[in-house]
Amino acid sequence: QLQLQESGPGLVKPSETLSLTCTVSGDSISRSSYYWGWIRQPPGKGLQWIGSIHYTGSTDYNPSLKSRVTISVDTSKNQFSLKMTSVTAADTAFYHCARGNWAGDRFDPWGQGTLVTVSS
Amino acid sequence: SSELTQDPAVSVALGQTVRITCQGDSLRSYYPSWYQHKSGQAPVLVFYGEDNRPSGIPDRFSGSTSGNTASLTITGAQAEDEADYYCSSRQTTSTHVVFGGGTKVTVL
Repeated sequence: QLQLQESGPGLVKPSETLSLTCTVSGDSISRSSYYWGWIRQPPGKGLQWIGSIHYTGSTDYNPSLKSRVTISVDTSKNQFSLKMTSVTAADTAFYHCARGNWAGDRFDPWGQGTLVTVSS
Repeated sequence: SSELTQDPAVSVALGQTVRITCQGDSLRSYYPSWYQHKSGQAPVLVFYGEDNRPSGIPDRFSGSTSGNTASLTITGAQAEDEADYYCSSRQTTSTHVVFGGGTKVTVL
């Protein structure tokens, strides 16, 4: 059964870089028919797609976050990662990783999510 | 517009039917996906495409799309269906993904 697990610091200082990793188990991240995505949910708000990556390294980002976000993949570890620079309190959110379909526009399954708080 | 609009909240009596709607221009080109999200848990895909229900999702969940409006219907709502529901789709002119604002479903 495919499972995804997010990991990383739960507290990041303003202006610093948020770094999260998603570990995939139960399937190979290198299967060509899937994208792998990051989605976040600020407390009390809705879901926001951050971006997606294919195991080949092809990426797609939310235009509103593109200048600050990098998603990368490590096939040897069956992981993909998110880096977001220059964070502010507005980046405080639950961050979920998920497997996307071939078009990258449908996500199933999702990780449970990890709360990242931006505060000094 | 690249947005998807959902009603913030809806309630349904136990065993009755509730329809959750999602409006947006992208729905004229792409079918939506629907997610159920309970607090503290991973979101779950409950319906997608023209008429697809993932394995393990009860058949009381169904969906439809007409023009710029998509609907997720729960026929015979159960207490465990109380959750937030989000629609999403690809944007019309790009590969980017957009989510609706979510609808909180309360089962009375």
